[in-house]
Amino acid sequence: GNSVTQMEGPVTLSEEAFLTINCTYTATGYPSLFWYVQYPGEGLQLLLKATKADDKGSNKGFEATYRKETTSFHLEKGSVQVSDSAVYFCALSGEAAGNKLTFGGGTRVLVKP
Amino acid sequence: DTGVSQDPRHKITKRGQNVTFRCDPISEHNRLYWYRQTLGQGPEFLTYFQNEAQLEKSRLLSDRFSAERPKGSFSTLEIQRTEQGDSAMYLCASSLSRELFFGEGSRLTVL
Repeated sequence: GNSVTQMEGPVTLSEEAFLTINCTYTATGYPSLFWYVQYPGEGLQLLLKATKADDKGSNKGFEATYRKETTSFHLEKGSVQVSDSAVYFCALSGEAAGNKLTFGGGTRVLVKP
Repeated sequence: DTGVSQDPRHKITKRGQNVTFRCDPISEHNRLYWYRQTLGQGPEFLTYFQNEAQLEKSRLLSDRFSAERPKGSFSTLEIQRTEQGDSAMYLCASSLSRELFFGEGSRLTVL
């Protein structure tokens, strides 16, 4: 079945530092890949997505590239802000089964001023 | 607000009681999903509907759990004879395509 593995947190950074969160997946066929973010006290929000190999998703300074050869979708941001403190979830949506999402365990990121 | 709404946001109940959660999806979204999220974990799929048809149920959805979407609009998730292990955040999402839009969740605490 489908599965997503992402690095465990918490990840603690200083403001303006570079952030990378690793995500690898197992899936049959050609899944779509997503990063969702959950800010404190809020619901899950889509951060970015990529639907085919070599696509790059980007939003709010975050980027992730769909690498089929390494089955990875690592999230990066060049200069984090305190407001980026949140839990980040990598997820995939398979071709079948109603596009349901399979999530990784989440990575908590804390950015200190 | 035209997002996904869930009610109640918080529910505290005693073990053995029944609870029901409601989800109102974004109008015109034909798919509706239920997930469960426990502390420090990613959301786990429970079930999904396309219109009023329940098309898939996870093995996590024991016989005590039932979900309905009678008119293809709002959905309810009922948990009968709650157990302490049912304590979690129950998330609802809706979609028209591969992007799911999530509500803020209903947090259940079973004492």
